Amino acid sequence: AQTVTQSQPEMSVQEAETVTLSCTYDTSESDYYLFWYKQPPSRQMILVIRQEAYKQQNATENRFSVNFQKAAKSFSLKISDSQLGDAAMYFCAYRSAIYFGNEKLTFGTGTRLTIIP
Amino acid sequence: NAGVMQNPRHLVRRRGQEARLRCSPMKGHSHVYWYRQLPEEGLKFMVYLQKENIIDESGMPKERFSAEFPKEGPSILRIQQVVRGDSAAYFCASSPWPMVAGGQGDTDTQYFGPGTRLTVL
Repeated sequence: AQTVTQSQPEMSVQEAETVTLSCTYDTSESDYYLFWYKQPPSRQMILVIRQEAYKQQNATENRFSVNFQKAAKSFSLKISDSQLGDAAMYFCAYRSAIYFGNEKLTFGTGTRLTIIP
Repeated sequence: NAGVMQNPRHLVRRRGQEARLRCSPMKGHSHVYWYRQLPEEGLKFMVYLQKENIIDESGMPKERFSAEFPKEGPSILRIQQVVRGDSAAYFCASSPWPMVAGGQGDTDTQYFGPGTRLTVL
C-alpha cells in the first residue's frame, strides 16, 4: 500500500517571501501521479498542481512549482511571492497510474501554512 | 461551468438517525469518489463508483455505510444509525473517463466538491 508523509504540521512565511512544503511517499509502482491540494478555511479542496511520475520536468503553475525527486520519492511544493490568500492547509496526494480500481487518492496529513503580513 | 455539487453543506443528525449525502459530479464526469475528513486529519478514501457500479469500496466501513451512483441522478452516500464518531466532513470528487469525450478537466485528476459537514448530536 502507498503512504504519503508530510512531516511539517505547520509552517509560516512572511508575505512576499518563498516557502517550501515537504512531502515524501512510499510506493513500489513506477508510474503514478502526485498532487498538491489546498484547503482554505472554507474547507473547499482546491487543486494546486499535479505531476506525472514519468515526466522528469517539474510542474509549475504561476507562483507554485514542485521539486519532484523520483529516486528519493520526494515531492515538495514551493510557493513564491507568498500572498495572504495562500494561507491554508496543504495536502500532498498520490494516485496510481493504473486504471480500473486503483484511482483512489492517498493523502498526507497536511501542512498548515500561515502567511505573516 | 458548474463544478462538483454537494448537498447539504451542513447536516445535523441525532444518534440513531440516517444521514444522506448527495453529490452531483461535474458535467461529463462518470466517476465519483467519496472521502471522509475527521477533525484535524487528512482525507481518507471511502468508495469509488462509476454509473451503477461500485468499483472500489475498500475504505468503506463494513456496517451502516453504503453508496450508490444510479444511472440518473446524483451519487448518494448513506449512513444508517449514525453515531458521534461519524461526525466529519465528507467530500465527493469526480473525474472524467479517459475514453469518453466531453468531460471537463484532466482524466487523471479528481475535482472536489465543497463537502458536507455532518454533525451527530
